[in-house]
Amino acid sequence: DTEVTQTPKHLVMGMTNKKSLKCEQHMGHRAMYWYKQKAKKPPELMFVYSYEKLSINESVPSRFSPECPNSSLLNLHLHALQPEDSALYLCASSQPPRTGRNTFGSGTRLTVV
Amino acid sequence: DAKTTQPTSMDCAEGRAANLPCNHSTISGNEYVYWYRQIHSQGPQYIIHGLKNNETNEMASLIITEDRKSSTLILPHATLRDTAVYYCIVREVDSSYKLIFGSGTRLLVRP
Repeated sequence: DTEVTQTPKHLVMGMTNKKSLKCEQHMGHRAMYWYKQKAKKPPELMFVYSYEKLSINESVPSRFSPECPNSSLLNLHLHALQPEDSALYLCASSQPPRTGRNTFGSGTRLTVV
Repeated sequence: DAKTTQPTSMDCAEGRAANLPCNHSTISGNEYVYWYRQIHSQGPQYIIHGLKNNETNEMASLIITEDRKSSTLILPHATLRDTAVYYCIVREVDSSYKLIFGSGTRLLVRP
C-alpha cells in the first residue's frame, strides 16, 4: 500500500459547525503532515507530527486542532471556521530521515459557508 | 532554505522532451534540489531529487549545473498526463520536516 487516503473528499460546513478531516497511511511512515492550499497557490505547511508527537505548528489558528491517534492516522478537527478557511487540505506522510520525500493524499476540498 | 525561481508557465508538444528550468543561485553546499508536481485536483507527487550529480529515474532526469546555481527537470517524452504544476524546492536533506513550495511552473502539454 503506497497511498495516503483522505476522507471526506469534499466537505461543506457552516461557521458554527464542528467537523473532522481524516488521513490514513499504511506505509509505516512515522512523520505525517497537514498542508493547506488555496486556489492557484502552492501548498502551505500547517502541522507536522513526528512519531505521533506534534513537532511543528506553523502558527495555525486554534480553530484548527490536529490529532495523531496512532502511527497510521492523522485527524484535523475544525471548529468555528471562517469562509476564508475554504481551501484544499492535504495530508502527507514520509519516513524519517527521508523527510523530503512526502507522499500526499488527494486532499479534502473544504467550503465554509 | 534557498529561494528558487521558476518560469510561471511553459508548454511543449506531446512526445517531445519537456525541459523545466529552476534557478537557485543562493543554494548552499548541503542543500538538495527536489522536484514535485501537482496534477489538477490531486496532491503533489514527488518526482526526483539530487545534490550535485545528475539523477535519473523512471519519471524524469534532473540536470544540475556544475556551480549548482540552477537545474533542469527533463521529462523525456511528455504526454498529456504530464500537464501539471511543477515545483522546484531546495532544502537541506533530512534536516527538518519542512517542505516549502514556491509558485512553480505550470506545464501544458499540447496534443
